[in-house]
Amino acid sequence: DGGITQSPKYLFRKEGQNVTLSCEQNLNHDAMYWYRQDPGQGLRLIYYSQIVNDFQKGDIAEGYSVSREKKESFPLTVTSAQKNPTAFYLCASSIAGGHQPQHFGDGTRLSIL
Amino acid sequence: AQSVAQPEDQVNVAEGNPLTVKCTYSVSGNPYLFWYVQYPNRGLQFLLKYITGDNLVKGSYGFEAEFNKSQTSFHLKKPSALVSDSALYFCAVRGYGGSQGNLIFGKGTKLSVKP
Repeated sequence: DGGITQSPKYLFRKEGQNVTLSCEQNLNHDAMYWYRQDPGQGLRLIYYSQIVNDFQKGDIAEGYSVSREKKESFPLTVTSAQKNPTAFYLCASSIAGGHQPQHFGDGTRLSIL
Repeated sequence: AQSVAQPEDQVNVAEGNPLTVKCTYSVSGNPYLFWYVQYPNRGLQFLLKYITGDNLVKGSYGFEAEFNKSQTSFHLKKPSALVSDSALYFCAVRGYGGSQGNLIFGKGTKLSVKP
């Protein structure tokens, strides 16, 4: 079945540590997105990529980094500069075009030890 | 500024009764509108979208939504609620300008359907 796979499902970070969240899709979608979800705040866009080797900052990119070396993969690194990283992180992909729905993975929940 | 508002944090409905989850939007161009549902500890699932055409859009699991341009609203509806419909619902609108193609999400409405 086609879909988006996020791993791990749960992740713990120590102070000062960088961690990387994985996102892989086999839907052949050009566009991929990373969102952060906090209770009562909806989804906020961290980074997005419309094509391989290109990506743009979203609304809350500070303290995060991404890469897009392959069409299928869009990993997110939460750096030590992100002072409040505890959240639920969602990856999505879509066919290019603003009227196309986004397809979401099942998320990674990141907590601070 | 482009935005989406979901005025109710929670909606409570008895099973079998009709349900409505409200959404209003503000965009600078023609609105592309979406509804998603999220179950606990899961990603969002696409329910339906409005791009153009008929103002009543039908989607998955018996849900539908009514686009009202004059009221800038896109309310989600279902004629008869099920307990299994209990979840978090998000309305979203496509952004324009620098965020073209990206979705702007509302803060979500928790739907609770009681037996």
